[in-house]
Amino acid sequence: DAKTTQPPSMDCAEGRAANLPCNHSTISGNEYVYWYRQIHSQGPQYIIHGLKNNETNEMASLIITEDRKSSTLILPHATLRDTAVYYCIVRATYAGNMLTFGGGTRLMVKP
Amino acid sequence: GAGVSQSPRYKVAKRGQDVALRCDPISGHVSLFWYQQALGQGPEFLTYFQNEAQLDKSGLPSDRFFAERPEGSVSTLKIQRTQQEDSAVYLCASSLQTGSSYNEQFFGPGTRLTVL
Repeated sequence: DAKTTQPPSMDCAEGRAANLPCNHSTISGNEYVYWYRQIHSQGPQYIIHGLKNNETNEMASLIITEDRKSSTLILPHATLRDTAVYYCIVRATYAGNMLTFGGGTRLMVKP
Repeated sequence: GAGVSQSPRYKVAKRGQDVALRCDPISGHVSLFWYQQALGQGPEFLTYFQNEAQLDKSGLPSDRFFAERPEGSVSTLKIQRTQQEDSAVYLCASSLQTGSSYNEQFFGPGTRLTVL
């Protein structure tokens, strides 16, 4: 699976949008972009995934550039409960394909 | 509904002891994964089961680590002769699908193992 690069940490004010970037310049055509987050002392939680179109669900939006070499996860109205480590993962989807976590971005939402 | 559960949540072992960590996946989930997470790092893959078959154990760090899922449901990760470097959180994840793009893995809360 392709390697991803994320900033190690970011701050965001409560109620504002949090924009978390991810670079994946070596992504291949059959690989999706997945985002998971891990709140302290919990297991990782799936947020969203996409191939090349922008995606939105009740948790977040995912914006993937046209060349697919980077993406941005957007939390539209960050709350204190969104404080977590956010992992951007690029992987092909087949049964048994494990998640390869990098260092992630530690997002701190501040009041 | 019930998510993935793991037990015990915390385990303290003396160096050299054997430990067994249990994972109860979501009912009906075919795929089961074990990950190891060292302090301050992201989880790292250990092994993968599809039903009762262990299809990938490439991430197991040594032959002291052994995993099983005999009936295709509950899984146990066993570590023999524990060492201090085995101290970590051990995470279990399960997923339903078998190859679609919606390949969400559901994680349990993990077992924090401390080896003294």
